[in-house]
Amino acid sequence: DSGVTQTPKHLITATGQRVTLRCSPRSGDLSVYWYQQSLDQGLQFLIQYYNGEERAKGNILERFSAQQFPDLHSELNLSSLELGDSALYFCASSVDPQTGSSTDTQYFGPGTRLTVL
Amino acid sequence: GEDVEQSLFLSVREGDSSVINCTYTDSSSTYLYWYKQEPGAGLQLLTYIFSNMDMKQDQRLTVLLNKKDKHLSLRIADTQTGDSAIYFCAEISNTGKLIFGQGTTLQVKP
Repeated sequence: DSGVTQTPKHLITATGQRVTLRCSPRSGDLSVYWYQQSLDQGLQFLIQYYNGEERAKGNILERFSAQQFPDLHSELNLSSLELGDSALYFCASSVDPQTGSSTDTQYFGPGTRLTVL
Repeated sequence: GEDVEQSLFLSVREGDSSVINCTYTDSSSTYLYWYKQEPGAGLQLLTYIFSNMDMKQDQRLTVLLNKKDKHLSLRIADTQTGDSAIYFCAEISNTGKLIFGQGTTLQVKP
């Protein structure tokens, strides 16, 4: 158990809908990362937050957004869902990114499997 | 550019050693990581190595780093059926994101 929790574990929805995925980082970790794992794209970085502020953006679609709250949990919002959004969405957390030290190490949650029908 | 490459599949017999190889492109990565993903599960951090090290050993796992060739390997000694999984190599970019390889599926035959 990494200490990172994600809910829900599974989500099945229809095209055009909107969903929210939730992540709670490990105790003491200030940074949260979201990744998408799909068969065709592999593991892709989406977005990173540090202490409530957006730190870095990756291959995140405009239909997707995220935020990190004062209690450091994070939510990933996916809207106008398409069949191709079906994937496993992982959240990871680290103590403090970009220090060039082992505190950059990211620990992953169990993931949310999203199926869009 | 940022790119991490791994072979896709490795099959070994139980009790043998497994060696999973990885090449990366970003020479400024401070740390390199190995994660394990079992079927239907999340990513479990196995080990990591600091970029100024050549080798790191952790029980049955040995990580070798050749910084000149940007080559990383993970050796699993006495491979067990429970080691069957997908193994991902990852480098960390200067923005803090992880860049993953495609994953190597390790099949352990009894």
